[in-house]
Amino acid sequence: EAQVTQNPRYLITVTGKKLTVTCSQNMNHEYMSWYRQDPGLGLRQIYYSMNVEVTDKGDVPEGYKVSRKEKRNFPLILESPSPNQTSLYFCASSPTPGLGLYEQYFGPGTRLTVT
Amino acid sequence: DQQVKQNSPSLSVQEGRISILNCDYTNSMFDYFLWYKKYPAEGPTFLISISSIKDKNEDGRFTVFLNKSAKHLSLHIVPSQPGDSAVYFCAASPNYGQNFVFGPGTRLSVLP
Repeated sequence: EAQVTQNPRYLITVTGKKLTVTCSQNMNHEYMSWYRQDPGLGLRQIYYSMNVEVTDKGDVPEGYKVSRKEKRNFPLILESPSPNQTSLYFCASSPTPGLGLYEQYFGPGTRLTVT
Repeated sequence: DQQVKQNSPSLSVQEGRISILNCDYTNSMFDYFLWYKKYPAEGPTFLISISSIKDKNEDGRFTVFLNKSAKHLSLHIVPSQPGDSAVYFCAASPNYGQNFVFGPGTRLSVLP
């Protein structure tokens, strides 16, 4: 089954404790992206990757890191989480932009609480 | 300042009637627009899209209209069904799919 998976689905942590949220897709998609969803703000793009070893900042990259060492994986790293990073996080993937294939496939979300 | 706005946080429609969800944007560089549907505890799922070179795109019960001069797009669902009850997000890209800006969403309730 074609899908985007995220782990963990739920996470409660404390300020300053480094964490990683994993994202994996099995559709051989070139493009992957991370979003956060907050009430009244919709989804805001954190980072995206056009291909392996190619990453770029979205609208809200502060406090986050990403890496794309393999095509299928795109982990989101919070080196020193803070309470304002409490949010619902979504990973997404799509075929190469520019080929007329822009719809993104989203993972189920990771709810992160930082106390 | 939000570049993509969905000014109706919620909308209720009777089953069988038309649902019209609206989206306004401020960035004239947006060249591609998408609508996503989201059920609780799930990720958004793609619904329909439209390129800035078109003014209408249709897929079954779903039609998206784009008015570039007004910087406005709308999603029409006809006829509305209870299973359409979800949050609908409008999204726009200024570079054919590299970056996306999402609106805050509209919660649609279709009443039986």
